[in-house]
Amino acid sequence: ETGVTQTPRHLVMGMTNKKSLKCEQHLGHNAMYWYKQSAKKPLELMFVYSLEERVENNSVPSRFSPECPNSSHLFLHLHTLQPEDSALYLCASSQDHRGSYEQYFGPGTRLTVT
Amino acid sequence: AQSVAQPEDQVNVAEGNPLTVKCTYSVSGNPYLFWYVQYPNRGLQFLLKYITGDNLVKGSYGFEAEFNKSQTSFHLKKPSALVSDSALYFCAVRDIMGGGNKLTFGTGTQLKVEL
Repeated sequence: ETGVTQTPRHLVMGMTNKKSLKCEQHLGHNAMYWYKQSAKKPLELMFVYSLEERVENNSVPSRFSPECPNSSHLFLHLHTLQPEDSALYLCASSQDHRGSYEQYFGPGTRLTVT
Repeated sequence: AQSVAQPEDQVNVAEGNPLTVKCTYSVSGNPYLFWYVQYPNRGLQFLLKYITGDNLVKGSYGFEAEFNKSQTSFHLKKPSALVSDSALYFCAVRDIMGGGNKLTFGTGTQLKVEL
């Protein structure tokens, strides 16, 4: 595997379910990110991790809970979601969370909340 | 605060013609600027970036972008468009001094290249 991988690629869940999204980067980067992409809206930064420490929490509801057990893995735990949470969730990584480093994105998880 | 604007939701170009996708930005200091491309059912792919130095930046797949500080613009260009260039293009900015950890993206421009 190369680059940034995400599983699952598609997820349908009810509002009372609990599920988790997984991201893994094979680039040796120190920073990882979760974004939400909704139609006709700019990408919304959700969380930033640097060397497993959360450095940004962009006013995200508590029904989204991130976890970064090591610099290569990032999870997004989901519980009691709302239909408006349906979106494409993108994971990204970069060499560092500061400066001019570009981010490398995974293919995303298409989430549908019913 | 930092922001970026992509004034066109969609750009249509004939194959072989030059293409331009527009981006303007606003920062309190100096910017780092990026272009990304997104194909259907895929994540964003990095195309090019401006950090400092030469205002004309060359990137992947024959794309280039010109940094214009006076007009606060960073338009993406390609001399000869291909049908395979059809995709969603995002401009992004980070304020060198005040941007913190955040990269701010535009709303995207859908590029359609037709035969």
